[in-house]
Amino acid sequence: GAGVSQSPSNKVTEKGKDVELRCDPISGHTALYWYRQSLGQGLEFLIYFQGNSAPDKSGLPSDRFSAERTGGSVSTLTIQRTQQEDSAVYLCASGTSGSTDTQYFGPGTRLTVL
Amino acid sequence: GENVEQHPSTLSVQEGDSAVIKCTYSDSASNYFPWYKQELGKRPQLIIDIRSNVGEKKDQRIAVTLNKTAKHFSLHITETQPEDSAVYFCAATTPVRFGAGTRLTVKP
Repeated sequence: GAGVSQSPSNKVTEKGKDVELRCDPISGHTALYWYRQSLGQGLEFLIYFQGNSAPDKSGLPSDRFSAERTGGSVSTLTIQRTQQEDSAVYLCASGTSGSTDTQYFGPGTRLTVL
Repeated sequence: GENVEQHPSTLSVQEGDSAVIKCTYSDSASNYFPWYKQELGKRPQLIIDIRSNVGEKKDQRIAVTLNKTAKHFSLHITETQPEDSAVYFCAATTPVRFGAGTRLTVKP
C-alpha cells in the first residue's frame, strides 16, 4: 500500500518568508510525528499527534513553528518568518497507535532558507 | 521529559566482525525501545524493537538487549556486512526521543 508522503520534496525560501510543509500519513494511522534532521545530525522531535488528543508540542523550538492535523489525517507544519538555522530536512512519520509502535517515515522535505 | 544518549557516534568494523551500539535513557516510565537504520539519503526504517517486559530480542544477525534497572539498551549486529553501513538511531518513550545516532562503517 501507499506509504507516508510529504510535499514538497524540496523547498527553497528567503529569510523572513513563511513556509508550509505537508504530510500525508498512511491511511488509518492515528499517530503522526514531525522531526527535524539537520545535515549529518540526529532526529529532533518537534510535535506528536495521537487521535483526537491534544498534540504534544514540547519539541517545537520556537513560537514560529506550528502544526495542524485536519480530520485526523493530513498534517501541515508551518514555519513563520523563516531563519537560516531552520534549514534542514523535515521528516514526518505515522503509526497505527500510540508512541509504543513502529513509526513509518516519509521521504522528508528538504528546506533551504537563503 | 526523556533524554536518550547514544554511543559511540561513529563505529568502524571489518566485515564479519560484530558491532555494538549502546544507549541510555533517563525516564524510568519508558517502556518501548526501537532501533532505526538510516542509509545515506534515505528515510529511517525500523530494524528491531524491544518492550520493557523482555530482556533480549533477536532477529537473525541483529539483537537488542535491555537492562531496565540500569536504564540502558544495546544493539548487537553479528557477522557484519558492507550493506550494514548506515546511521543507526535508538529511541525511547515516553514521549519518543531519539539518540544522536551512530554512523557504522563496515569495511570489506
